[in-house]
Amino acid sequence: EVQLVESGGGLVKTGGSLRLSCVGSGVTFRDTWMSWVRQAPGKGLEWVARINSRPEGGTTNYAAPLEGRLTISRDDSKNTLYLQMDSLKTEDTAIYYCTKYRSGWSFESWGQGTLVTVSS
Amino acid sequence: QSALTQPPSASGSPGQSVTISCTGTSSDVGGYNFVSWYQQHPGRAPKLMIYDVTKRPSGVPDRFSGSKSGNTASLTVSGLQAEDEADYYCGSYAGTNNFDVVFGGGTRLTVL
Repeated sequence: EVQLVESGGGLVKTGGSLRLSCVGSGVTFRDTWMSWVRQAPGKGLEWVARINSRPEGGTTNYAAPLEGRLTISRDDSKNTLYLQMDSLKTEDTAIYYCTKYRSGWSFESWGQGTLVTVSS
Repeated sequence: QSALTQPPSASGSPGQSVTISCTGTSSDVGGYNFVSWYQQHPGRAPKLMIYDVTKRPSGVPDRFSGSKSGNTASLTVSGLQAEDEADYYCGSYAGTNNFDVVFGGGTRLTVL
């Protein structure tokens, strides 16, 4: 069974930075496409970023409005996924979920989420 | 504003069937057979219920089914049960230029 556990959320001021982590078990991150999806309080889901598997080059892609402020990365030795978020804005306030892709651009496994609150 | 359009609410009585629609464009829903549906109970993470328009992951009851016609996808829940009461989100592949996946705004399903 795949388990994903996020951490690193918290309260940060506008313009600040935060790094989220996601540790996985039952899955080998280097062989899997992984993504971050976020959900603002009381709102819907929003895809944020993706990293391909290592055999496929580990390429990344970002939601266009967020590109330039986010960096998704992975430490294969720790089976850990990261999301570095810079120049944070109040509209970045959300629960951030670590997700595992399945074929067909769907997300078959989700962590419990970590809450990021950006305040001025 | 979400990229895909869902009705904000839907309801049905136990045992009945209810269908939730998800309307996009030819650049997402209509252009690919990569529509997925997620169930989310309050305070919980989303759960994949349908992928590739019609496929169910292992463990998802066959009361849940998906379909697509043109730019509109649908999720049907048959034989409604109390535990089906939740928020449902559709998602669709949208190409990799701006977004991998776009989502609907969600539908709150109430079991009367």
